[in-house]
Amino acid sequence: AQTVTQSQPEMSVQEAETVTLSCTYDTSESDYYLFWYKQPPSRQMILVIRQEAYKQQNATENRFSVNFQKAAKSFSLKISDSQLGDAAMYFCAYRSEGDSWGKLQFGAGTQVVVTP
Amino acid sequence: DAGVIQSPRHEVTEMGQEVTLRCKPISGHNSLFWYRQTMMRGLELLIYFNNNVPIDDSGMPEDRFSAKMPNASFSTLKIQPSEPRDSAVYFCASSSRALSYEQYFGPGTRLTVT
Repeated sequence: AQTVTQSQPEMSVQEAETVTLSCTYDTSESDYYLFWYKQPPSRQMILVIRQEAYKQQNATENRFSVNFQKAAKSFSLKISDSQLGDAAMYFCAYRSEGDSWGKLQFGAGTQVVVTP
Repeated sequence: DAGVIQSPRHEVTEMGQEVTLRCKPISGHNSLFWYRQTMMRGLELLIYFNNNVPIDDSGMPEDRFSAKMPNASFSTLKIQPSEPRDSAVYFCASSSRALSYEQYFGPGTRLTVT
C-alpha cells in the first residue's frame, strides 16, 4: 500500500515571502497522480495543483508550483508571494493510475501560518 | 454546477440517537467518497462507491456506521446509535473518470454528539 508523509506539522511564512511544503510518498508503481489540497478555516477542501507522474515538467498554478522528483519520490509545494488568504492546512495526496475508482491516499497535512 | 452538496452543515445530537448525513455529488460524477476528519486521526476514508455500488467499506469504524447510495445523485451515511467519539467533520467527495478522478469535496458536516 502507498503511504504519503508530510513531515512538517506547521510552517510559518511572512506575507510576500515564499514557503515550501514537503511531501514524500512510498510506491512501487510508475504511473500515478499527485495532488495538493488546501483546507482553509472554512473547512472546504480545495484542489490546488495536480501532477501526473509521467510528466517531467513541474506543474504550476499561479503562485503555486511543485517540485516533483520521481526518483526521490518527493513532491513539494512552493507558495510564492504568500498572502494572508494562503493560511490553511495543506494536504498532499496520491492516486494510483491503476485505481479504477479514484481513491486518494492523503498525508497528515501541514498547517501554514501567514504573518503580516 | 453547485458542487458537492452536504446536509446538514452542523448536527448536534445526544448519545444513542440516530444520525443521518446526506450528500449530493456533482452531476455526472460516478465515484463518491465519505471521509471523517478529526484532530487525532486526521482525514480517514470511510467508504467509497462507484456507479452507486459500494467498492470498499473497510474504513467504516464499526457496525454502527452504514452508508447507502440508492441512485447517482444521492448518498447517506448513517450512525446508529451515535457516540461522543463519533464527533468529527464528515466530508463527502465525488469524482469522475473523465476528469482524471480529481476529487471535489463538499463543505462537510460538523457532527457533535453529547
